[in-house]
Amino acid sequence: NAGVTQTPKFQVLKTGQSMTLQCAQDMNHEYMSWYRQDPGMGLRLIHYSVGAGITDQGEVPNGYNVSRSTTEDFPLRLLSAAPSQTSVYFCASSYKGFPLSYEQYFGPGTRLTVT
Amino acid sequence: AQSVTQLGSHVSVSEGALVLLRCNYSSSVPPYLFWYVQYPNQGLQLLLKYTSAATLVKGINGFEAEFKKSETSFHLTKPSAHMSDAAEYFCAVSQPGGFQKLVFGTGTRLLVSP
Repeated sequence: NAGVTQTPKFQVLKTGQSMTLQCAQDMNHEYMSWYRQDPGMGLRLIHYSVGAGITDQGEVPNGYNVSRSTTEDFPLRLLSAAPSQTSVYFCASSYKGFPLSYEQYFGPGTRLTVT
Repeated sequence: AQSVTQLGSHVSVSEGALVLLRCNYSSSVPPYLFWYVQYPNQGLQLLLKYTSAATLVKGINGFEAEFKKSETSFHLTKPSAHMSDAAEYFCAVSQPGGFQKLVFGTGTRLLVSP
């Protein structure tokens, strides 16, 4: 198993550009989520999905879109990048149901800089 | 609303010394609590979790944590630090049931000196 994979590892964008951060998992996990990590702020939930076709907003969803057309993939779209979106982005996945849902598997992260 | 407070953004210990990383939580319902570790340039890895069973929880790499409801705390300890323990540690809280919306603390960086 590759686990949770994320591409790209690094990205530099100009303000106003759009892009998609890719996330894939090969563990057949129902739950997937996106977090952003900022210095001194820990990780904050952006969007999450409890299954294909079902997504919901987390704590900081503004400026981001998601969709989940397959179990394996959960891309995060930045529609019009802003410097405030400079961050490290982590994708995570977990099984549905007690107790396995309590262990989330994290990808290696994408470091995004918006200039 | 739930929240987590981690005291100390940096903790320094000598190799072989006790490691104590502090975590206090706020939750309106009985919480589930987690400690994650992040090594440089990597994602997060689950160290241990409390899900309302035993209050003393043992995790990987010799770490353990004790859930103390009266103190709203979930401190992480390890009797003897190793150089390989140098990393950033995050405490997180969630509510039971369904998708686990983790609320993270701001993290504590553990520095281990020889």
